Amino acid sequence: KQEVTQIPAALSVPEGENLVLNCSFTDSAIYNLQWFRQDPGKGLTSLLLIQSSQREQTSGRLNASLDKSSGRSTLYIAASQPGDSATYLCAVSPTDSWGKLQFGAGTQVVVTP
Amino acid sequence: NAGVMQNPRHLVRRRGQEARLRCSPMKGHSHVYWYRQLPEEGLKFMVYLQKENIIDESGMPKERFSAEFPKEGPSILRIQQVVRGDSAAYFCASSPGQRNEKLFFGSGTQLSVL
Repeated sequence: KQEVTQIPAALSVPEGENLVLNCSFTDSAIYNLQWFRQDPGKGLTSLLLIQSSQREQTSGRLNASLDKSSGRSTLYIAASQPGDSATYLCAVSPTDSWGKLQFGAGTQVVVTP
Repeated sequence: NAGVMQNPRHLVRRRGQEARLRCSPMKGHSHVYWYRQLPEEGLKFMVYLQKENIIDESGMPKERFSAEFPKEGPSILRIQQVVRGDSAAYFCASSPGQRNEKLFFGSGTQLSVL
C-alpha cells in the first residue's frame, strides 16, 4: 500500500529565504508526481507535474526533483515571498490508475515579511 | 475558460438529511474525480467517473454515498442520511483524460453536519 509522507508538517521562514519541502513515498511504481498548493478555503492549484521518467521540473522560482528509486521528491522555492504562504501538497499517481492520486498530509508554509 | 465549478461552497445539513454536491468540469474535460478532505487529514480519493460511467469507486464508502456523471449536466456526489463524520471538504477534479495531464481542482464544498 502506497504511503506518502511530507516533512516538515509546518515551516516558517523570513521573506527572501529559500524553501525546501520534502515528500517521500513507499512504492516506487508511480506514473507521475504532482506538487499542489492549497490556500485556506480554496481549491488546489497544480504547481508542477513530474513524469516518472523525469528527474526534475522547473517553473519560475519553483523547482521539483524526483528520485523514484529512493521514493523521494523535493520542492524548492527560491527567494520566498509572503504570497508563497500556503499549504503545499505532494501527490503520486499509481501506474494502474493514473488519475487516482495518493496525497501526503501537506506542509504548511508561512513566509514572514 | 472557467475552471472546475463546485456548488454550493458551503452546505449545512442536519443528521439524517441528504447532501447533494455538484461539480461542473472544465470545458472539454470528460473525466471527473471526487476527493474528500477530513479535518486534520489529507485528501483521499473517492470515485472516478467518465460521462455516464463509474470507472473506479474504490474509495467511496459502500453505504449512503453515490456518484453520477450524466451525459448532460454536472457530476453529482450524493450522501444520504448524513452523519457528523461526513463533515469534510469535498473536492472535485477534472481532466481531459490524457495521461500525464494535470488534474484541475475546484474550490470544494465544505459540508457541515449538525
